[in-house]
Amino acid sequence: EIVMTQSPATLSVSPGERATLSCRASQSVSSYLAWYQHKPGQAPRLLIYGASTRATGIPGRFSGSGSGTEFTLTISTLQSEDFAVYYCQQYNNWPPYTFGQGTKLEIK
Amino acid sequence: QVQLVESGGALVKPGGSLRLSCAASGFSFSDYYMTWIRQAPGKGLEWVSYISSGRDYTDYADSVRGRFTISRDNAKNSLYLQMNSLTAEDTAVYYCATVRSSTWLFFDFWGQGTLVTVSS
Repeated sequence: EIVMTQSPATLSVSPGERATLSCRASQSVSSYLAWYQHKPGQAPRLLIYGASTRATGIPGRFSGSGSGTEFTLTISTLQSEDFAVYYCQQYNNWPPYTFGQGTKLEIK
Repeated sequence: QVQLVESGGALVKPGGSLRLSCAASGFSFSDYYMTWIRQAPGKGLEWVSYISSGRDYTDYADSVRGRFTISRDNAKNSLYLQMNSLTAEDTAVYYCATVRSSTWLFFDFWGQGTLVTVSS
């Protein structure tokens, strides 16, 4: 089973600033990596798939990069609605389809 | 627009059973693989099971294999999860979600979840 490790567990950033979230796979997942945003009481939302392709309707301030074992989600200019928990998920080696433990992005 | 609405969550005793449902609308349900994913209190997301569009293929996480059964009724645009022999470790919010394709196993659309609590 591929283990996905996200860092940091919590990230405190001010609105308008840039946020960089990391995700590491225990073995290569090529570019088969997705990112999700999850707010309390809401349905999780797909942000990025294929490591760098934005899902339909996702604003351009969200970008993904990386391949192999190291991945990054960058939010260029944080808006108030961006504060949430973010998960990465690999779909290269399955089952199981493994998620990271999440990074909570909070307002500084 | 795509809508997924889970139901059936409840408080159930250890060893008990429960059947979750997911009502789908806004897309051609019968064309899509579907999945169940859960989130235990204070924990991250855990993939549980998935089913092919034609019901001919299913798979399960090791933690639920042999106890949970996924199924679907394409005529009713509905997805189900039969959960037996429940334990406290099954306590979680259960989400249904669409799968992009049979080879791209990421999850485009999710419901808001239904809470299952296993406790005596």
